[in-house]
Amino acid sequence: DAGVIQSPRHEVTEMGQEVTLRCKPISGHDYLFWYRQTMMRGLELLIYFNNNVPIDDSGMPEDRFSAKMPNASFSTLKIQPSEPRDSAVYFCASSVVGFAEETQYFGPGTRLLVL
Amino acid sequence: QKEVEQNSGPLSVPEGAIASLNCTYSDRGSQSFFWYRQYSGKSPELIMSIYSNGDKEDGRFTAQLNKASQYVSLLIRDSQPSDSATYLCAVRSGGSYIPTFGRGTSLIVHP
Repeated sequence: DAGVIQSPRHEVTEMGQEVTLRCKPISGHDYLFWYRQTMMRGLELLIYFNNNVPIDDSGMPEDRFSAKMPNASFSTLKIQPSEPRDSAVYFCASSVVGFAEETQYFGPGTRLLVL
Repeated sequence: QKEVEQNSGPLSVPEGAIASLNCTYSDRGSQSFFWYRQYSGKSPELIMSIYSNGDKEDGRFTAQLNKASQYVSLLIRDSQPSDSATYLCAVRSGGSYIPTFGRGTSLIVHP
């Protein structure tokens, strides 16, 4: 398996623009997570899905952020409109929860810079 | 609020020494404990998991768990410059499938 795939790897945009981040989880994993990492706040969980259903979005900073998972192999995180304070590394991770197995596998991340 | 606390460091150790990384957590109902390693510019990757009190060894790495004192530690023996990274502690409570991550400890192993 290729692991968790994220695109784009780097994104530079201007304030006010819409940003869409994409993620393909590992096949067979039933949990998908979106994280944001900054020096100031560390790794923050934004939202997670179980079997394509959003379970907890309490970490989403505000209404400008939205996430979808239309099927088991694809998820998006959208920021509209983007702001400079959204600049961070956004990670997608997936896992399968079962006996003796609950490792989260992280994608390579998307480095977002909002000017 | 479930909290996972780590000293941000950096922790600097000479090559060949033992590096000791510590993590405390607030939720007494926590059941699963993980150590992730994150190289600069890369994503976190799991290196150790531990579920019961005591020590768990894997090569040069030893995870130690003390639920009564609510801490988990990671020992790295014979530290190498390639071990230089940020180490994230993650803790999962019994009522959740989702771990809470600490902010990480930066480890520098100098030749």
